[in-house]
This record gives sequence, C-alpha cells and structure tokens, in this order.
Amino acid sequence: GEDVEQSLFLSVREGDSSVINCTYTDSSSTYLYWYKQEPGAGLQLLTYIFSNMDMKQDQRLTVLLNKKDKHLSLRIADTQTGDSAIYFCAESRSNDYKLSFGAGTTVTVRA
Amino acid sequence: NAGVMQNPRHLVRRRGQEARLRCSPMKGHSHVYWYRQLPEEGLKFMVYLQKENIIDESGMPKERFSAEFPKEGPSILRIQQVVRGDSAAYFCASSPGGVRVDTEAFFGQGTRLTVV
Repeated sequence: GEDVEQSLFLSVREGDSSVINCTYTDSSSTYLYWYKQEPGAGLQLLTYIFSNMDMKQDQRLTVLLNKKDKHLSLRIADTQTGDSAIYFCAESRSNDYKLSFGAGTTVTVRA
Repeated sequence: NAGVMQNPRHLVRRRGQEARLRCSPMKGHSHVYWYRQLPEEGLKFMVYLQKENIIDESGMPKERFSAEFPKEGPSILRIQQVVRGDSAAYFCASSPGGVRVDTEAFFGQGTRLTVV
C-alpha cells in the first residue's frame, strides 16, 4: 500500500467547512505538510506541522494531528470558490529532503 | 521573481522515443528535486541534485532514466526509450540550500508525459 493515503474527491458547499483527511504509515515522520495545487499551477505549501504538535491554526486553516493513529486532517473554514484545488498531504523525516505524498484530494466548491 | 518553471507542460512521445523534461529553479536556488506522480498515486521522490552533482538518486529507475543539473541552464530529466508505464506527471522542486524541505521548497507546474 501507499505510505500516505487520502481520499480522492471532496465536494463542499460554499460557506461550509471542508475537512480533508490523510493517514500515513511511517512512525518516524517528523514533519507533515499540506500542499495546494490550483489548476495550471505548481504545488504551493499551505501549512506544515511538527509531529510533537497536535494542532496548528492559521487563519481559515486548522491542522489536526493524531500521532497515535497516524492521522492528519486539514479543515478549511468558510470554504470559498477559490479553495477549489487539489490538496496533497505529505510527510518527511527530520532533516530528510524526501517528501512522501498522498495522491491528492480534489476539492470542488459548489455554489 | 519567477517561480519554478517546467517545460514542456505536456509532452507526447511514441514508445521507444526519448523524453527530455526541463526544470528552471527559482532564482538563487541551487538545489533541485524531481518527483513522479503515476495516475491516482502520490508524488514519489526520484532524484536530488545540486549544481553539477547528483546528491541522491535512490528513487530513479535503474535503467533509461537520468538527470543532470549543469553549471549553466536548467535541470534535465531524460528518459530514453520510453514505455507506456512512463506516462505520468513529473514535478520539479527547488530550494535555496540545505537538506531541509519544509518551508523552503517550491514546486513547478509539472510536465505531463503521455507515451502512445
């Protein structure tokens, strides 16, 4: 199986909250990331969290980490049409430049 | 300051041909990473290069694939004698230095290779 898994699609109504889930297998993962890819653009780092944290909030984004279950989630509050994109979960070990990515969750925001 | 530029965006090759994918890192970045994304899978690390050096190619297939990052010009990922299984999106990322890839890595748009 894949090292990092996430569901492929999510549809959400404008104004609602979106929650994108991710699971990983490597217990030595130190950094966990969320990247966003808008149509025709490169992957953009949205936020990251260290494995010794369980939550990080940045404006509309909230990252929750359950290290015991190796589960990471990204919550987007008040989802807007500009949030429509592919969201990638990724992990790396301390001082390791190699990122392991999930397949990406395509988020579609409907009016 | 332009971001990481990859070209072409889309590349179609017949089986047996060669594919050359180019990556121009962000200005001031001397570290380049290549990733491959097969359909419905996550991006997988292929190779890490600095100027004129291959630092880590542990993710590169043993045959037909090579990468370079010359002193002048873009980084090139070269695939010889392409097969259908090489069809994928190839992403390049760059960073200004060091081995940490957290807030410092910037990704390009990717090149989508289709082998027919």
